[in-house]
Amino acid sequence: NAGVTQTPKFQVLKTGQSMTLQCAQDMNHEYMSWYRQDPGMGLRLIHYSVGAGITDQGEVPNGYNVSRSTTEDFPLRLLSAAPSQTSVYFCASRRATTSYEQYFGPGTRLTVT
Amino acid sequence: AQTVTQSQPEMSVQEAETVTLSCTYDTSESDYYLFWYKQPPSRQMILVIRQEAYKQQNATENRFSVNFQKAAKSFSLKISDSQLGDAAMYFCAYRSAFQGGSEKLVFGKGTKLTVNP
Repeated sequence: NAGVTQTPKFQVLKTGQSMTLQCAQDMNHEYMSWYRQDPGMGLRLIHYSVGAGITDQGEVPNGYNVSRSTTEDFPLRLLSAAPSQTSVYFCASRRATTSYEQYFGPGTRLTVT
Repeated sequence: AQTVTQSQPEMSVQEAETVTLSCTYDTSESDYYLFWYKQPPSRQMILVIRQEAYKQQNATENRFSVNFQKAAKSFSLKISDSQLGDAAMYFCAYRSAFQGGSEKLVFGKGTKLTVNP
């Protein structure tokens, strides 16, 4: 099992550009989530999905879109990048029947200039 | 809304000694889960230990144990026999056990642990 994978590991964007952060998991997990981590803060939930075709907003959804067409993939789209979106982004997944453990990907460090 | 507070931005411990990291949380819910995550310089988030609120017994995982005080809304992490590899950021996190709110992990701001040889 590769677990949760994220690409790219690093990315630099200019203000106004768009891009998609990729996330995939091979554990057949129903639930997937995107978090962002800013300096001096813990992770904050952006969007999440409880299954293919079902997504919902988290704590800080503005400026981001998600969709989930398959169980394995959960891409995060930045529509028009802003410097405030400079952050480290983590994808996570877990089984619906597991009460606790979320598995995190290695993160993507995004810089918007 | 739930909040998680880690009042110690930084802690240090001598190798082989014991250290306790503090965490308090605020919630009106009665059923929830609490976690400690470790984030080494590699940036990977690693689950250290978890606690179900309905369990009175404190969780233990090898050298890691928690002191869960539900009435006081306190959830501290004790690391025994500290090792150099324990050096990392440690995050306390909360998740509701109820459907609808259960996907949001609420994190504290973290405690940076240094282990001195």
